[in-house]
Amino acid sequence: EDKVVQSPLSLVVHEGDTVTLNCSYEVTNFRSLLWYKQEKKAPTFLFMLTSSGIEKKSGRLSSILDKKELSSILNITATQTGDSAIYLCAVPPTSGTYKYIFGTGTRLKVLA
Amino acid sequence: GAVVSQHPSRVICKSGTSVKIECRSLDFQATTMFWYRQFPKQSLMLMATSNEGSKATYEQGVEKDKFLINHASLTLSTLTVTSAHPEDSSFYICSAPNRNTEAFFGQGTRLTVV
Repeated sequence: EDKVVQSPLSLVVHEGDTVTLNCSYEVTNFRSLLWYKQEKKAPTFLFMLTSSGIEKKSGRLSSILDKKELSSILNITATQTGDSAIYLCAVPPTSGTYKYIFGTGTRLKVLA
Repeated sequence: GAVVSQHPSRVICKSGTSVKIECRSLDFQATTMFWYRQFPKQSLMLMATSNEGSKATYEQGVEKDKFLINHASLTLSTLTVTSAHPEDSSFYICSAPNRNTEAFFGQGTRLTVV
């Protein structure tokens, strides 16, 4: 059965801290892995990763994929209260479809 | 960029009534759309895949007679929660893939059944 698991489930840090969120997957015909940030409404797209070892970066956020380990990490440096959200990773289970399987999510809370 | 519009964003209805939620792709055609449900503090759970011009595909455990899906055009899918009960109260989100990019999400609909 295809599955995506994220850890930790929740995390509380202080502003300025650096956090690393993990996502591991087991799917057939892996094509890509996506990271989303969800605040109060619908998830917003962060990154799409398809190649192992190539870091994607956007401001204080970065992410990298490790196909050997079947995992990805999302790093957030110098966290701010505005980073508080649920971070979701998702993997389409089979090629030719966009039927994503979402991980459990990591709930991040950044304290001032 | 591609946008998916979902409406309404919030609805309160009485038990036993039906509620329709619309999901529109605004600047691209979506032959497939997905409907998710999200309980508080939980991840997105795929309910069904909406296919333009054919029947929706429901995930295991999702009642198709309860959650009616219609994908009448290449830009519109609707989810109707029939005979709603308080346990149907949840956050419902649609998404539509756009070729080789990520799936785009609607704004979500928070349904409260009283």
